Amino acid sequence: EAGVVQSPRYKIIEKKQPVAFWCNPISGHNTLYWYRQNLGQGPELLIRYENEEAVDDSQLPKDRFSAERLKGVDSTLKIQPAELGDSAVYLCASSLGGGATDTQYFGPGTRLTVL
Amino acid sequence: GQNIDQPTEMTATEGAIVQINCTYQTSGFNGLFWYQQHAGEAPTFLSYNVLDGLEEKGRFSSFLSRSKGYSYLLLKELQMKDSASYLCAVMDSNYQLIWGAGTKLIIKP
Repeated sequence: EAGVVQSPRYKIIEKKQPVAFWCNPISGHNTLYWYRQNLGQGPELLIRYENEEAVDDSQLPKDRFSAERLKGVDSTLKIQPAELGDSAVYLCASSLGGGATDTQYFGPGTRLTVL
Repeated sequence: GQNIDQPTEMTATEGAIVQINCTYQTSGFNGLFWYQQHAGEAPTFLSYNVLDGLEEKGRFSSFLSRSKGYSYLLLKELQMKDSASYLCAVMDSNYQLIWGAGTKLIIKP
């Protein structure tokens, strides 16, 4: 069974440029998460989807970040414009549901460098 | 506020045993997870505890005491491939995972 797929794996951009990340969750997983992870830190939740509905986006900086999950499968996370402090690894994870026993499975992440 | 504490770094010898501790203070509790993360890779699931006690899975075991807000991950017969960061995460009352910063484990021959 294929795992969570993310692209691109690496992205280098100049500040003020836009950038987008794509995620394809494990087949059949209804819940999708976007996390940001800085070096030496744990993941920080940005947004959680239940099917196509964003059920928790309280940590998403909405002035520059946006996300969508069309048809409840693939998802895209966008930053516009990017700032130096956005340099991090952006992880996508999925789970069957959003409950306590639903293990989250992570993709390989996108390492973003903003110059 | 919500807080997960774990040591920043630990060193152990190949073949030995190491215990990585995690203490937590969260808004509610719906289980505690341990993940392994090799450098430059995604976190991978190791264990889940929701009831007090020890869960054993091969060379890895995880313990939970809810009254003390405490867990540990025990790794036996250490191998060089166990060099990684180990992340403790607690699911709070909103079913959101609160993550610790991770413990970097260095294995020496």
